[in-house]
Amino acid sequence: QKEVEQDPGPLSVPEGAIVSLNCTYSNSAFQYFMWYRQYSRKGPELLMYTYSSGNKEDGRFTAQVDKSSKYISLFIRDSQPSDSATYLCAMEGGNYKLTFGKGTLLTVNP
Amino acid sequence: NAGVTQTPKFRILKIGQSMTLQCTQDMNHNYMYWYRQDPGMGLKLIYYSVGAGITDKGEVPNGYNVSRSTTEDFPLRLELAAPSQTSVYFCASSYETPYEQYFGPGTRLTVT
Repeated sequence: QKEVEQDPGPLSVPEGAIVSLNCTYSNSAFQYFMWYRQYSRKGPELLMYTYSSGNKEDGRFTAQVDKSSKYISLFIRDSQPSDSATYLCAMEGGNYKLTFGKGTLLTVNP
Repeated sequence: NAGVTQTPKFRILKIGQSMTLQCTQDMNHNYMYWYRQDPGMGLKLIYYSVGAGITDKGEVPNGYNVSRSTTEDFPLRLELAAPSQTSVYFCASSYETPYEQYFGPGTRLTVT
């Protein structure tokens, strides 16, 4: 079983839709959970990070962590064409190293 | 601030050649990282550093070397390039924690 599993998509939605992106993981030591956005041929940029279980909201973005199920989600409300990108989940378990998912390619159609 | 800068942007190497990928950050970050990203794959950690003079291996260090003589610079050295090292290489940095990393624009390397 891979440490971090992420559905690669592609995911295509109409503008204004609510988008749900998910990752599962197997390592119970993970405590910090991150979502990065990567536009084509660019470096990843951090959207938000969460410590342990719970929710965190930043504008149209909400991150959820359920440690009991080893499941994390990123919700995007009122999606825009500018949200079209690859979304990477990442996790850290106290050893300075991040473990990344493979990324989900999202397209928001006008 | 320029953030994290990487040079070159693109490079084609022949098998067996060597090269150094440059990475510089101007944010006074302590932690620096090198990743590679292959198509359809996530980022794999090659090496990381928690401060000048301190480096450690990541998940895929074979075929690479690093040094960190200053806070700002973290070059990645490829010795005896192989086709398996064809990839996009990203450098990243963070201040005091590993979970707020800022990434550079990447170097696209092809080994033929």
